[in-house]
Amino acid sequence: DAGVIQSPRHEVTEMGQEVTLRCKPISGHNSLFWYRQTMMRGLELLIYFNNNVPIDDSGMPEDRFSAKMPNASFSTLKIQPSEPRDSAVYFCASSSDSYNYGYTFGSGTRLTVV
Amino acid sequence: AQKVTQAQTEISVVEKEDVTLDCVYETRDTTYYLFWYKQPPSGELVFLIRRNSFDEQNEISGRYSWNFQKSTSSFNFTITASQVVDSAVYFCALSEVSTGTASKLTFGTGTRLQVTL
Repeated sequence: DAGVIQSPRHEVTEMGQEVTLRCKPISGHNSLFWYRQTMMRGLELLIYFNNNVPIDDSGMPEDRFSAKMPNASFSTLKIQPSEPRDSAVYFCASSSDSYNYGYTFGSGTRLTVV
Repeated sequence: AQKVTQAQTEISVVEKEDVTLDCVYETRDTTYYLFWYKQPPSGELVFLIRRNSFDEQNEISGRYSWNFQKSTSSFNFTITASQVVDSAVYFCALSEVSTGTASKLTFGTGTRLQVTL
């Protein structure tokens, strides 16, 4: 199993540009989570999906952030327009209640907005 | 609301020492899961253990052991005979139990463990 795959690994963009982060969950997992990690706020949940349906997006900072899960094998997190305070590591994780080993995280995307 | 507290921000030990990382949680749920994750300097989040709230048996895996005490809402993690490779940030996390799908993980702020020679 290839695990949770995130792309790109690193992204540097200028303020005001649109940024799209991508995630491919583990096949068979029916829950997908987007987390953001910063020094100030630690690991915080942005949004999660169950069976491709958004369940809780209360962690999405503002309207500049949007997430989609068009099918069971792909999700995107988009920031438009990006701002320097969006600089962080963004993690995608997937899980299935059928498994005993918990949530599997991707390697993360390190976003730098200059 | 769920909350996880890791009061130890940073711990430094010398190799071969034992070290315990504390985790205290708050939840209104009667059933829940508790987790520990390791984040080495490379940045990935590595799953270490998941415990069900109805299973209070302590668990040992090699040099790692976990002590779950529901009465004190604690899920502490001990590394025996620490090694330099154990240097990382360790996160405790909590999720509710749901049927058919997973629920969100609430993380603590993490404890940075530094093991030196």
